[in-house]
Amino acid sequence: EVQLLESGGGLVQPGGSLRLSCAASGFTFRSYAMTWVRQAPGKGLEWVSGMSDSGSSTYYTDSVKGRFTISRDNSKNTLFLQINSLRAEDTAVYYCAKVRGSDYSNYFDSWGQGTLVTVSS
Amino acid sequence: QLVLTQSPSASASLGASVKLTCTLSSGHSSYAIAWHQQQPEKGPRYLMKLNSDGSHFKGDRIPDRFSGSSSGSERYLTISSLQSDDEADYYCQTWGTGTVVFGGGTKLTVL
Repeated sequence: EVQLLESGGGLVQPGGSLRLSCAASGFTFRSYAMTWVRQAPGKGLEWVSGMSDSGSSTYYTDSVKGRFTISRDNSKNTLFLQINSLRAEDTAVYYCAKVRGSDYSNYFDSWGQGTLVTVSS
Repeated sequence: QLVLTQSPSASASLGASVKLTCTLSSGHSSYAIAWHQQQPEKGPRYLMKLNSDGSHFKGDRIPDRFSGSSSGSERYLTISSLQSDDEADYYCQTWGTGTVVFGGGTKLTVL
């Protein structure tokens, strides 16, 4: 059974940083693209960042370019999202998801339970 | 531009059926989509991939009550024999070269 377990969220001041992690199990992690999706309070799903299976290809939505960095450690079956220069509008639950295929442009067939990031002074 | 449009809300009675719609933007009627369910205070759950020809591929342990169909640029999710825990937000998702798009979601209320 596929399991995705996010961690690393919390309360941070504007301008601060966090590193989110997603521990994956139940599938061959290195063979699949992975992605981060966020959901602001009371809002819909927003695709934030994606990474191919090898890590050679990445995507960022415009609002996070230059501030967020996605990475993965295929030897440890873990996906990361480094988030810097946090803003109030980054407040959201961040979900890790497994992509169906090696490229991040595909559908998501497994989701984690999410980790909450709150940006406030 | 690749866009998905969903009605914000829908409602149906316990035990009845409901059909939710996701509409692809002009020029994208051949695109497949995926349906996801998000119950209150939970993470999303993948339901199925739905192709333009109506063929669909459900996730693990998704009940037979959930089915998909397609017509032109519209993609449908039908839930039959509605249960109380079907009350949730339903999102459609599609993808293209270098991009992924979500619809705004439909909040389903089971009366």
